[in-house]
Amino acid sequence: EPEVTQTPSHQVTQMGQEVILRCVPISNHLYFYWYRQILGQKVEFLVSFYNNEISEKSEIFDDQFSVERPDGSNFTLKIRSTKLEDSAMYFCASSESLAPSTDTQYFGPGTRLTVL
Amino acid sequence: GQNIDQPTEMTATEGAIVQINCTYQTSGFNGLFWYQQHAGEAPTFLSYNVLDGLEEKGRFSSFLSRSKGYSYLLLKELQMKDSASYLCAVRRSGAGSYQLTFGKGTKLSVIP
Repeated sequence: EPEVTQTPSHQVTQMGQEVILRCVPISNHLYFYWYRQILGQKVEFLVSFYNNEISEKSEIFDDQFSVERPDGSNFTLKIRSTKLEDSAMYFCASSESLAPSTDTQYFGPGTRLTVL
Repeated sequence: GQNIDQPTEMTATEGAIVQINCTYQTSGFNGLFWYQQHAGEAPTFLSYNVLDGLEEKGRFSSFLSRSKGYSYLLLKELQMKDSASYLCAVRRSGAGSYQLTFGKGTKLSVIP
């Protein structure tokens, strides 16, 4: 069964450093998402991406964040200058379309980011 | 804005049936999703309702009443592996709106 993959599974970084989290969405999916989950808290939407541009973003997704689809398979989230409060699990998700029955978002296994 | 409420924790016995409720308030509605999340893992899709009524999928069923802003997830023949958090998530209607808004999740413990 096709699945979303993410690398790395764990990333430890120093405050102020840049990190890039990588995702490979399901191959026939057209809509891509990033969510984050701070330990013990709920899953929060960051950004959605379609047709090589951002469709929607939350208040969390400020100028320190950016997304890119550098090639036909990868989808990346970059945090330019990490802060302690960026420590969280970051989930990538993808969906086939927005039509009923094909708009389910499937999540990758996540990248645990720890900022020291 | 959106507000999604679900119980924080529930405990049920192996082999039993458990119902996890979710109430929501949203300015627009375009579907309610249930996900299962084991500790430290990704949310896994369980079910989806966009119209009123019951959707059945093996041991799992989900019900939606849009007029009441209410859904429940029903788990039958509980197994120990069903111990996990169950997340209710709502998608808003409107052009360009794709995001899911999640509740805090209900942590279900299945005991022998």
